Formats: sequence, structure tokens, C-alpha cells
Amino acid sequence: EAGVAQSPRYKIIEKRQSVAFWCNPISGHATLYWYQQILGQGPKLLIQFQNNGVVDDSQLPKDRFSAERLKGVDSTLKIQPAKLEDSAVYLCASSLEGLGNYGYTFGSGTRLTVV
Amino acid sequence: QKEVEQDPGPLSVPEGAIVSLNCTYSNSAFQYFMWYRQYSRKGPELLMYTYSSGNKEDGRFTAQVDKSSKYISLFIRDSQPSDSATYLCASNTNAGKSTFGDGTTLTVKP
Repeated sequence: EAGVAQSPRYKIIEKRQSVAFWCNPISGHATLYWYQQILGQGPKLLIQFQNNGVVDDSQLPKDRFSAERLKGVDSTLKIQPAKLEDSAVYLCASSLEGLGNYGYTFGSGTRLTVV
Repeated sequence: QKEVEQDPGPLSVPEGAIVSLNCTYSNSAFQYFMWYRQYSRKGPELLMYTYSSGNKEDGRFTAQVDKSSKYISLFIRDSQPSDSATYLCASNTNAGKSTFGDGTTLTVKP
């Protein structure tokens, strides 16, 4: 089966600019996650979707981050305006409905550098 | 205090050695435990998951969970240079979202 697709792979922007990341999960995976991984740290959950509804966005900095999952398939994560501390790898992951406790499939991530 | 603490490493071993990677957790609600492997510039790849205390084996990998002491381990037997990567432990409640440790970087030297 095809894996989780993410684009772009790399992005460099100036602080205060906006940026968007795209994710296409594995076909049939109802649950989609966005994680932020800062260099030298483990991934930290930003938002969890079940189909096109938000399950958990408690750790999403909502003053600058937004995410949507239209039609319960693809998802977009946006940052506006970006700060230097947003430099990280943004990972998308997906799982079958109800099976997130048994592990996810991650994409390769988008590496964001804010200068 | 982080909910999942992982031995920071880095760890360097000769080929063929037995590797022990360790994590502790503080949240008693954690019930599911995973190990991921992450190669440089790649996303994490699920190696193993376990639910109950005890051991679970998959080839050269053994995951061990002790819920009474809140301790998680991953053992790699006959380590290979291709095992060189960062290993992440993760724990879930039953809500499907994972809390990760910060990873241990392993280098296996030929």
C-alpha cells in the first residue's frame, strides 16, 4: 500500500511569513495526526482528526496554527505568522479508525526553517 | 517533568552486541506502549507495540514493559549497522494519541 504522502519536503521562510503543509494519509485511514518534531526532541502532537472532525487540538497554538481535513481525506496545516521557534519537522501520521493505540504510519515530514 | 523520559544516549556498540534501550513514564493512565525507529531525515517507523506487562518478541527485537515500575525497554539482539538510527518510545492512554520520549541515537559499528 502507498504510504503517507507529505509535501513539500523542505521549506525556508522568513519570520512573520505564512506557510502551509499538505498531507495525504493511507487510503482508508480515518484518523490523521499532525506532530511537530523539534531537532533533538520527540514528536509532539499538534492535532488529531477523526474523519473530518477534530478529536484533540489542545496543544495546537491556535493564535498562529490552523489545520483542516476536508472530506475526511487530505489535510492541510498552516502557520501564520511564523516565528523562529516554529523551525521543526512537521510530521503527518495516520491510522485505521480505533487502532491508533497500536501505532501509526508516519510520512517523511516537512522540514521547516524560519529565518 | 516529561510524561515519558528516555535514556538520552547516544549509544555506540560493536556489530553483534545486544542493545538495551530504556524509557520510564509517569502517567498511570498509559496503557499502550510503542517503539519506533527513525532514520535521519525520515519519519518514525513503527517497530513494535505492546499492551500488557511482560515481553513481546519480533525477530531480533524484544519489547519489555513493567507497569508496576513504569519502565519500558527495547532489546536488540545481534545488532547490525543497519540498526543505526534514533529509537523513540511512545505511550498512549486509550485515546489514540501518543506521547513520545526524546529518542536515543544508536550507532552500530562494523
